[in-house]
Amino acid sequence: GQQLNQSPQSMFIQEGEDVSMNCTSSSIFNTWLWYKQDPGEGPVLLIALYKAGELTSNGRLTAQFGITRKDSFLNISASIPSDVGIYFCAGVRSYNTDKLIFGTGTRLQVFP
Amino acid sequence: SAVISQKPSRDICQRGTSLTIQCQVDSQVTMMFWYRQQPGQSLTLIATANQGSEATYESGFVIDKFPISRPNLTFSTLTVSNMSPEDSSIYLCSARVSQYGYTFGSGTRLTVV
Repeated sequence: GQQLNQSPQSMFIQEGEDVSMNCTSSSIFNTWLWYKQDPGEGPVLLIALYKAGELTSNGRLTAQFGITRKDSFLNISASIPSDVGIYFCAGVRSYNTDKLIFGTGTRLQVFP
Repeated sequence: SAVISQKPSRDICQRGTSLTIQCQVDSQVTMMFWYRQQPGQSLTLIATANQGSEATYESGFVIDKFPISRPNLTFSTLTVSNMSPEDSSIYLCSARVSQYGYTFGSGTRLTVV
């Protein structure tokens, strides 16, 4: 099925470092969502973006909806050990379909 | 936001058998979705389940293999039929709880032996 291209695939960083990951598509999306998934759990919503150019923060997390509507970025500042997990971008292409399409995921490992 | 209870959380099944996964939402929702997440992979949409109508399946997924029920606005089931080891995955249900809010169950980890 269709997926969004997410990079990097994995990251190994030291506690306190900042993290950036992005998601790109050849298609336009009307909504971008960022999720975190811990082992044995379903994805949990971190940030939702609803219009092009929007920049939204949630604590140490900041995400942006790209101007072209074909990409989105997530930044995590001052990483901590509990940031470990898999981060997924997800997009809704159309107000009519309501289908949420997921990115390929970024696995984040934080070392103390 | 809504809470989704999904069960079973995990199961080990013999090939050729079927497993039904249940999802209960604590509020009424129009749209529910079923995803498959293969080991180490992202989530792939299986089908969209609306109350009162047939589920809409994505390319590569068919009703005979993954029958879905949606008897009311708070409940849905997904059956994995005639299982083979290739069906070993995590299966997740999701509900659209607001215009752009999607909540997920904690998943069912299925192992087929």
